[in-house]
Amino acid sequence: GAVVSQHPSWVICKSGTSVKIECRSLDFQATTMFWYRQFPKQSLMLMATSNEGSKATYEQGVEKDKFLINHASLTLSTLTVTSAHPEDSSFYICSARSTGRTPYEQYFGPGTRLTVT
Amino acid sequence: AQSVTQLGSHVSVSEGALVLLRCNYSSSVPPYLFWYVQYPNQGLQLLLKYTSAATLVKGINGFEAEFKKSETSFHLTKPSAHMSDAAEYFCAVRVSGNTPLVFGKGTRLSVIA
Repeated sequence: GAVVSQHPSWVICKSGTSVKIECRSLDFQATTMFWYRQFPKQSLMLMATSNEGSKATYEQGVEKDKFLINHASLTLSTLTVTSAHPEDSSFYICSARSTGRTPYEQYFGPGTRLTVT
Repeated sequence: AQSVTQLGSHVSVSEGALVLLRCNYSSSVPPYLFWYVQYPNQGLQLLLKYTSAATLVKGINGFEAEFKKSETSFHLTKPSAHMSDAAEYFCAVRVSGNTPLVFGKGTRLSVIA
């Protein structure tokens, strides 16, 4: 149980285009989802926190107009990288937390590798 | 604000040797502490967690960690390293159920045959 999936697992896009990454909780309802970004050989940096049905809360320094987060249902959150540039290339990992399960635990997706050419 | 510091960005051990990965935390309230492992190009796998129950926590793959409040530490250990343990290890902290995990910078473990 407590499976989080991400799609796609990797994506290559051209500079200036937009890319959408999906994060799904497969066997539980996720009231809160988190999006992290990881540069090569570095740690995970929290980008934003989203609660179902409300606007995401972005961390300082994260451009909300560039990284659009939608958490429209209890099992799905999406991250859209708009007008992507090579510096947006990174590993994006989502994480979900549920109401029913152990409240302090976050479950992580397998990550999405984004390469912008 | 809470934070974790992982001492040593890279640790190298021989196969069969003791593994010790260090993590110190900073928190104004009793924290929840976690250790995760990440293999190349993969997501995070939870190794173990401390949630204010037993101070010695046993996890998967033979790993364990001990919460020491006096030292503000939560070091990860394994008695005997295996080649398959080579990966990146992250210590993380949360101070309440409503806050997200905050990660340390990670420690890359290499295991030498």
